[in-house]
Amino acid sequence: GQQVMQIPQYQHVQEGEDFTTYCNSSTTLSNIQWYKQRPGGHPVFLIQLVKSGEVKKQKRLTFQFGEAKKNSSLHITATQTTDVGTYFCARRWSNYQLIWGAGTKLIIKP
Amino acid sequence: DTEVTQTPKHLVMGMTNKKSLKCEQHMGHRAMYWYKQKAKKPPELMFVYSYEKLSINESVPSRFSPECPNSSLLNLHLHALQPEDSALYLCASSQDGTGNYGYTFGSGTRLTVV
Repeated sequence: GQQVMQIPQYQHVQEGEDFTTYCNSSTTLSNIQWYKQRPGGHPVFLIQLVKSGEVKKQKRLTFQFGEAKKNSSLHITATQTTDVGTYFCARRWSNYQLIWGAGTKLIIKP
Repeated sequence: DTEVTQTPKHLVMGMTNKKSLKCEQHMGHRAMYWYKQKAKKPPELMFVYSYEKLSINESVPSRFSPECPNSSLLNLHLHALQPEDSALYLCASSQDGTGNYGYTFGSGTRLTVV
């Protein structure tokens, strides 16, 4: 019930194409966080969403929280090689604890 | 200073060795965490210290022993590890237990147990 399902597991795109990863829950989420982990790197916090229907932008990244607060998405417009990495969603579950999605690995095709 | 600093970056140890991983932050964060991450998986929580007290131990084997000497430092003592303990060990911190402002991760220690 507390798990978050993240799809797809991998996405291959040509540089310049768009990329989207989705995070879904069977129960209402009070919040969702997004992290990026570059190859060989560590997770870096991108954003937290808490409001129903919330949309936030960071340059080419657009984050959405569904109206029912059961899903969230991260969309990257016109991918660049610097976008390569694994994107994780995570929900805060009680104090101190995060429940992580499995991650979506963005691969840029040469 | 907006970083979490971890040392060493890489560690190879034998199954009979004792070693320690170190983590430091100077952001005034009151919660600090140890995570373990296997390849192609999300991080798994091991321990949480809040205000220098151990708040959460996620049933981690006793061969892993955490220590929080002060509000800026976190150690993870390793003893008699197994090859399956090889992983990336990440330290993280947050302003408080709510995590409302996200978690700041260190660059990790890549541990290999031989």
